[in-house]
Amino acid sequence: DQQVKQNSPSLSVQEGRISILNCDYTNSMFDYFLWYKKYPAEGPTFLISISSIKDKNEDGRFTVFLNKSAKHLSLHIVPSQPGDSAVYFCAARRSDKLIFGTGTRLQVFP
Amino acid sequence: DTGVSQDPRHKITKRGQNVTFRCDPISEHNRLYWYRQTLGQGPEFLTYFQNEAQLEKSRLLSDRFSAERPKGSFSTLEIQRTEQGDSAMYLCASSPQSGSSYEQYFGPGTRLTVT
Repeated sequence: DQQVKQNSPSLSVQEGRISILNCDYTNSMFDYFLWYKKYPAEGPTFLISISSIKDKNEDGRFTVFLNKSAKHLSLHIVPSQPGDSAVYFCAARRSDKLIFGTGTRLQVFP
Repeated sequence: DTGVSQDPRHKITKRGQNVTFRCDPISEHNRLYWYRQTLGQGPEFLTYFQNEAQLEKSRLLSDRFSAERPKGSFSTLEIQRTEQGDSAMYLCASSPQSGSSYEQYFGPGTRLTVT
């Protein structure tokens, strides 16, 4: 059972525009959500997180929105830069462990 | 560099052999996690430690797998009698024990190829 889903395997965005990456989850017991970025041959790098009691968290160019009623969260990157090109994973926390989605590959082109 | 380190970065082994991986967490972090990632998937939880105590093991962790963290610092993950299905990236992560800090910080991973 896939409790965390990223339904878009890839996304292509022009430099300077907004990138929106989406994530859906099924388990209402998750208490914390995180986004990670991964380059090839490297481990995931933590980007931003949000508690289940919040609906928005912002850190520089990155903003995460949480819609608990829809069990949906999204990561907004504004403005997108070529260096943002990577695979982005959504993760949800329950009982001290993280459950990851399958990732979305973001490509930012000039 | 005070991040999470893993050794080796790559391991190629023949089916049936035993392999051992090492993870050194961020020094002040007392929680340490092991995950496995296969192609096209996100990382999947295997097990985690708080200090030297192993608190949870996933059903993915068959009895061929064993993990230790003997002094509450570095950890080892051993796979006995490797199978081709064990080929994956093995990721280690650490985090501080804190009621408000849930981020886990990952190492670069060990890529295992079983031939």
